[in-house]
Amino acid sequence: KAGVTQTPRYLIKTRGQQVTLSCSPISGHRSVSWYQQTPGQGLQFLFEYFSETQRNKGNFPGRFSGRQFSNSRSEMNVSTLELGDSALYLCASSLGLAVTYEQYFGPGTRLTVT
Amino acid sequence: GESVGLHLPTLSVQEGDNSIINCAYSNSASDYFIWYKQESGKGPQFIIDIRSNMDKRQGQRVTVLLNKTVKHLSLQIAATQPGDSAVYFCAERDEAGGSYIPTFGRGTSLIVHP
Repeated sequence: KAGVTQTPRYLIKTRGQQVTLSCSPISGHRSVSWYQQTPGQGLQFLFEYFSETQRNKGNFPGRFSGRQFSNSRSEMNVSTLELGDSALYLCASSLGLAVTYEQYFGPGTRLTVT
Repeated sequence: GESVGLHLPTLSVQEGDNSIINCAYSNSASDYFIWYKQESGKGPQFIIDIRSNMDKRQGQRVTVLLNKTVKHLSLQIAATQPGDSAVYFCAERDEAGGSYIPTFGRGTSLIVHP
């Protein structure tokens, strides 16, 4: 069974631009969660989507948004990029809500904002 | 590969030794804990979990110990192998409090010398 895939793997953007990252969960998984990982803050929860609805949200500004499609694939968007948004963005999928089911992480998208 | 963190605490061991990785958690109400392993260029991988009604749980070559009195969690890896080299970090959740949002520790880099 294929694992969680994230595209692109690497991305360089300029401050003020916006970016969209994509995540394809493991087949049959209905929940997708997004995380930001930085050297300074470590791993931080962004949000979780299940059945195309945001179920949980971390403490990030409204510039960070996401959505989930009917096939469970998910995208996250960051608008008006700031230098501090440079990070590894990880997506994780689970059969159901992550509070109940084990999460499987993708390799991440490395975003660099210049 | 991806760098998951700079200036992380580092534990260096010889192959075959037992390793102990520690984590101090912050929320005394946390009732669910997970240990993750993250290899360079990959997303975190679930290793073992424990609930607050237990103080010890064993898996294959790994043992997690929970001391709620001092809010301390440890991961013991028996007969450490070079393939165990990775960053290890813990996560805590306050499920009884109704929050799924996990809080992650900064991590410890384990280096296993052959």
